[in-house]
Amino acid sequence: AQKITQTQPGMFVQEKEAVTLDCTYDTSDQSYGLFWYKQPSSGEMIFLIYQGSYDEQNATEGRYSLNFQKARKSANLVISASQLGDSAMYFCAMREGRGSQGNLIFGKGTKLSVKP
Amino acid sequence: DAGVTQSPTHLIKTRGQHVTLRCSPISGHKSVSWYQQVLGQGPQFIFQYYEKEERGRGNFPDRFSARQFPNYSSELNVNALLLGDSALYLCASTTLLAGTQYFGPGTRLTVL
Repeated sequence: AQKITQTQPGMFVQEKEAVTLDCTYDTSDQSYGLFWYKQPSSGEMIFLIYQGSYDEQNATEGRYSLNFQKARKSANLVISASQLGDSAMYFCAMREGRGSQGNLIFGKGTKLSVKP
Repeated sequence: DAGVTQSPTHLIKTRGQHVTLRCSPISGHKSVSWYQQVLGQGPQFIFQYYEKEERGRGNFPDRFSARQFPNYSSELNVNALLLGDSALYLCASTTLLAGTQYFGPGTRLTVL
């Protein structure tokens, strides 16, 4: 069965520094997608970045980049130049296959706190 | 463009009651998915609808049901509410069945 593991319940980072949030996944599918979402205290899940299993280059979106290591089944999120507004829960998720459905499987999340 | 909208924002019910949650997808999106997020956990998949047909169902009891309307909006219904149904219910929409899912603000359901 597909599974997402986020081993860091909480992380602290100094404002303006970079931080890496860990994510490992388990799947027997060859085709899959990996996502990171940010969830502020308001509750809305905000899409940050996507990596397809066949993408050879690591995805980047502004200050967000995804360190994709397929052989190790890891998809770590790197946030550069942290800002106070980055304080939130961060969830790694995987979509299984490209076939008949596209539901996401989420990890338990990492709470990031940015210190001024 | 407006994002995914959900109503109501908050809801308080008692055990045994029934609840209906509503979701309007982003304009042009034909697929809607529902997730349940209990405190301290990641969201769990409940249903996915595409073009008004159920395309996926998570591991939830039959008390949970959903439907999608011709305008692609969706309703999630939960019967015979239990205390354990207290959660944040999130709706997400996407253009394609397996595209990036964009979430709404959620409905916080409290069952007393």
